[in-house]
Amino acid sequence: EAGVAQSPRYKIIEKRQSVAFWCNPISGHATLYWYQQILGQGPKLLIQFQNNGVVDDSQLPKDRFSAERLKGVDSTLKIQPAKLEDSAVYLCASSLGIRQFFGPGTRLTVL
Amino acid sequence: AQTVTQSQPEMSVQEAETVTLSCTYDTSESDYYLFWYKQPPSRQMILVIRQEAYKQQNATENRFSVNFQKAAKSFSLKISDSQLGDAAMYFCAYLLGGATNKLIFGTGTLLAVQP
Repeated sequence: EAGVAQSPRYKIIEKRQSVAFWCNPISGHATLYWYQQILGQGPKLLIQFQNNGVVDDSQLPKDRFSAERLKGVDSTLKIQPAKLEDSAVYLCASSLGIRQFFGPGTRLTVL
Repeated sequence: AQTVTQSQPEMSVQEAETVTLSCTYDTSESDYYLFWYKQPPSRQMILVIRQEAYKQQNATENRFSVNFQKAAKSFSLKISDSQLGDAAMYFCAYLLGGATNKLIFGTGTLLAVQP
């Protein structure tokens, strides 16, 4: 069974630039999550989708972050414009029930 | 609000020995789930073990076991016969379940395994 796929694995950008991350969940998983993991901390949920609807985006900085899951399968997370404090690993996860399966993450560095 | 606390930023264990990682959490709910995740340098979160709060019996998965103390809100992980491949960051996590399936993570414990 294929796992959660994410791309790119690494991204370096200048502050105020834009960046987008892509996630393809495990086939059949209705729920998709984006987490932000800042160095030295545990992951923090940014947004949760159930199919193509948003369940929880209470911790998403909506002035600069956006996410979509148009067809209820893969998802894109965008940051525009990026700030230095956005440097982190962005983890995507998917689930069918309680257990969440994580992708390898994208390490973002904002200079 | 639910919180998860891991008070040991780093731990070290000799190969083949046993180590216990600590975790406490705060919640007013009675029905929830607790997890231990392993995150190696590759960054991928790997589920180690899971405990349902309604179960009194402590979960076990091969060399990994937990000590779940619901009244004390404590959830420690014991790794027996430690192996070099166990070296990683370990995160304790809480999940309430229901419509919002949000995992709340602790700050992690970095485990080193000495040969």
